[in-house]
Order: sequence, then structure tokens, then C-alpha cells
Amino acid sequence: DAGVTQSPTHLIKTRGQQVTLRCSPISGHKSVSWYQQVLGQGPQFIFQYYEKEERGRGNFPDRFSARQFPNYSSELNVNALLLGDSALYLCASSWGQGTYEQYFGPGTRLTVT
Amino acid sequence: KNQVEQSPQSLIILEGKNCTLQCNYTVSPFSNLRWYKQDTGRGPVSLTIMTFSENTKSNGRYTATLDADTKQSSLHITASQLSDSASYICVVSPLNTGTASKLTFGTGTRLQVTL
Repeated sequence: DAGVTQSPTHLIKTRGQQVTLRCSPISGHKSVSWYQQVLGQGPQFIFQYYEKEERGRGNFPDRFSARQFPNYSSELNVNALLLGDSALYLCASSWGQGTYEQYFGPGTRLTVT
Repeated sequence: KNQVEQSPQSLIILEGKNCTLQCNYTVSPFSNLRWYKQDTGRGPVSLTIMTFSENTKSNGRYTATLDADTKQSSLHITASQLSDSASYICVVSPLNTGTASKLTFGTGTRLQVTL
């Protein structure tokens, strides 16, 4: 079975631009969570979606938004990029909404110049 | 505030040696604790998950222990290999939460195994 997939693997953007990151969960999983991981730190929670509804939001500005599609895949959008948005963005899928076992994708490395 | 602290911050050991990583947490009430291995630039991979009633859990050369009374966990790696070089992250989940937002991540221990 395929694991969590994320695209793109890497991307480079300029300050002020907008970016969309994509995530496909493990088949059968209905929850997707997004995390930001700055180098040398643990992942920081951004959003959780379950059954296409937002179920949790971390302490991130409104420039960050996300959605989940009927097939449970998800997109994370970041507007007006700042240098500080440079990080590894991780997607994790789980079967349920609660703190079930989460399976992480390989991540998307975003560099903002 | 729920916190997870890991030590040491980084560690260098020779191939074949054993090592132990520590995790102290203040999350309460507590549901489960997980250890993840994260290769550089990659997503974390689960090694073990323990509920409050479990004291130890093994996964090959990795053995995690949990003392819920003192709120401490350790990850012991036996006969280390070069491929064990990675960051090891401790993640704690509180009880009865309906969202992943309550998971508390440690900052990780960076392990380097050398020849």
C-alpha cells in the first residue's frame, strides 16, 4: 500500500509569492494534519482536517489556509510568503479525528528567498 | 503548559555501541507516548507507541521504556548502525482529545553514528 504522498518535494519561492502544497493520505484514512518544521526543531501543528472539515488550527497567521477534498487529499496554501516560512512542511494522515497513530509523508521543503 | 523535553540535544557514538535517549514530559492527563525516527529532510517514521499502562515496547534494536509516575521515557538503541543516524522525536498525547492539535512534540535528539 502507498504511504502518505506529498508534492512537490522541493520548491523555491520569492517573498510575497503564494504557494500550494499537496498531500494524499493513506487509503482509508480520513484525517490529514499539516505541520511546519523549522530546521533543528520539532514539528509545529498548523491544521487538522477530518471528513473535509477543519478540526484544529495551530498558532499560525491567516496567511496559512488549507482544505480537504472529497477523496480526503488536502492542500495547504500560504500567501504573502515571508523568509521565516522557509521550512519542511509535513503532512500526516490518520484513520480518525483523535490522536490516533499518525503516518507522516516525506515532506515538502520550501525555501523562500 | 504541556511540554516535552528531550536530552541530550545531540549525540555521537561509534558503530556497534548502545545508547539511550531521554524524554521528560509534563502532559497530563496522559494517553500515549510515541517515538519517531526522522532522517534529515524526511518525514518522521514511527518506532514505538506506548499507552500509560505499558512499561516497555520493543521494535527490533529499539526499546522504549515508560515511567508514567515520573513522566519519563527513554529510547534505547542496541548495537547501533550507521543507518541509525537521524533525529529521534518524542511525541506525547493527552487523554481524551479529539484533535491532533493537542499532540506535543519534543525538539528531538540528533544521533550520529560513526565508524
